Amino acid sequence: GAVVSQHPSWVICKSGTSVKIECRSLDFQATTMFWYRQFPKQSLMLMATSNEGSKATYEQGVEKDKFLINHASLTLSTLTVTSAHPEDSSFYICSARGGDAGALGAKNIQYFGAGTRLSVL
Amino acid sequence: QKEVEQDPGPLSVPEGAIVSLNCTYSNSAFQYFMWYRQYSRKGPELLMYTYSSGNKEDGRFTAQVDKSSKYISLFIRDSQPSDSATYLCAMILLKAAGNKLTFGGGTRVLVKP
Repeated sequence: GAVVSQHPSWVICKSGTSVKIECRSLDFQATTMFWYRQFPKQSLMLMATSNEGSKATYEQGVEKDKFLINHASLTLSTLTVTSAHPEDSSFYICSARGGDAGALGAKNIQYFGAGTRLSVL
Repeated sequence: QKEVEQDPGPLSVPEGAIVSLNCTYSNSAFQYFMWYRQYSRKGPELLMYTYSSGNKEDGRFTAQVDKSSKYISLFIRDSQPSDSATYLCAMILLKAAGNKLTFGGGTRVLVKP
């Protein structure tokens, strides 16, 4: 249980275009989803937290107009990188946390997707 | 000083050896402690999580939490080359909003055949 699917796994786009990344919880309802960015050989950096039906909460320094997050249902969140530029090239990872994801206490645990490698040319 | 400290490694061990990983933390209010494994270009995979001090075992993995010393450990018995990955410790401070994960920097482990 507690499977999170992220799609696509790799995307290449031209500078100035927008890219959408999907994150789905397959076997539990994700009341909260998180979006991270990871640079090579570094740990994960939280970009934003989203609760179903609410606006996302962005971390300091993250441009909310560039990284649009939608969490329209309990199983789906999307991250749209708008007007992407080469400096946006990175590894983006989502995670999900939910009330029915397994044993007692597991509702506080985040389960991660496989990540999306974005390359902006 | 970072809230969670973790030796970056790399930690190189021969196949079959015990891998010993640890993290120290500064905030005594952390309540949940997790270990994730991350292969190159993949998302982190949850290995174990604990809530209280003590040991928790799952197959070849044992997690230890010592809240009095603010120190957590992960042991991997009978290590295999497939265990070569980066291991991330993470902690949660439960509060009204967020419940965000605080990560260590990760330890790269190499298990040599």
